[in-house]
Amino acid sequence: EVQLLESGGGLVQPGGSLRLSCAASGFTFSIYAMTWVRQAPGKGLEWVSGISGDGANTFYADSVKGRFTISRDNSKNTLYLQVNSLRVDDTAVYFCAKVEIDYAWFDYWGQGTLVTVSS
Amino acid sequence: DIQMTQSPSTLSASVGDRVTITCRASQSISGWLAWYQQKPGKAPNLMIYKASTLKSGVPSRFSGSGSGTEFTLTISSLQPDDFATYYCQQYSSYWTFGQGTKVEIK
Repeated sequence: EVQLLESGGGLVQPGGSLRLSCAASGFTFSIYAMTWVRQAPGKGLEWVSGISGDGANTFYADSVKGRFTISRDNSKNTLYLQVNSLRVDDTAVYFCAKVEIDYAWFDYWGQGTLVTVSS
Repeated sequence: DIQMTQSPSTLSASVGDRVTITCRASQSISGWLAWYQQKPGKAPNLMIYKASTLKSGVPSRFSGSGSGTEFTLTISSLQPDDFATYYCQQYSSYWTFGQGTKVEIK
């Protein structure tokens, strides 16, 4: 059974940083691209970042480019998102998701971790 | 960047109704489109991929169609469990979601 479990969210002041983690199990982690998607309170889904299975290729939405860094440790079956220079409008639930073959649809999602940016 | 526009934003319907949601892409995405269902406080759930392929276990009352820039999600006979928000997503160039369509009880 595929499981994705996010952690690392919390309350942070504007300008602060956090590292989000996503522990994966139930599939061969290293051969699948992974992604982060966020959802601000009461709003829709926004794709944030993606990474290839080997970690060599990374992709970012314009809204987070230069502030967020995606990475993965295939030996630990874990995906990360380092979020820096946080702004109030980064407040959201952050979901990790497994990407199906060739950067396609997102077939499994975690339950999400809440990041609140407030002074 | 490819923009995705869903309509309507909110849809009021009754159990048993036939419901159609439209998703338009700002440029051709061939058939590289997925649909997700999300219920309050939960993660999205994949329903359809490649515009018209139902994920295993998704009820056959759901169907998807379209190609190029215009796509539809149809629920042939709305059931109580179907009241939720639905999102389309393109994966032709990176990934973009539509703004969502909330299906609510009339």
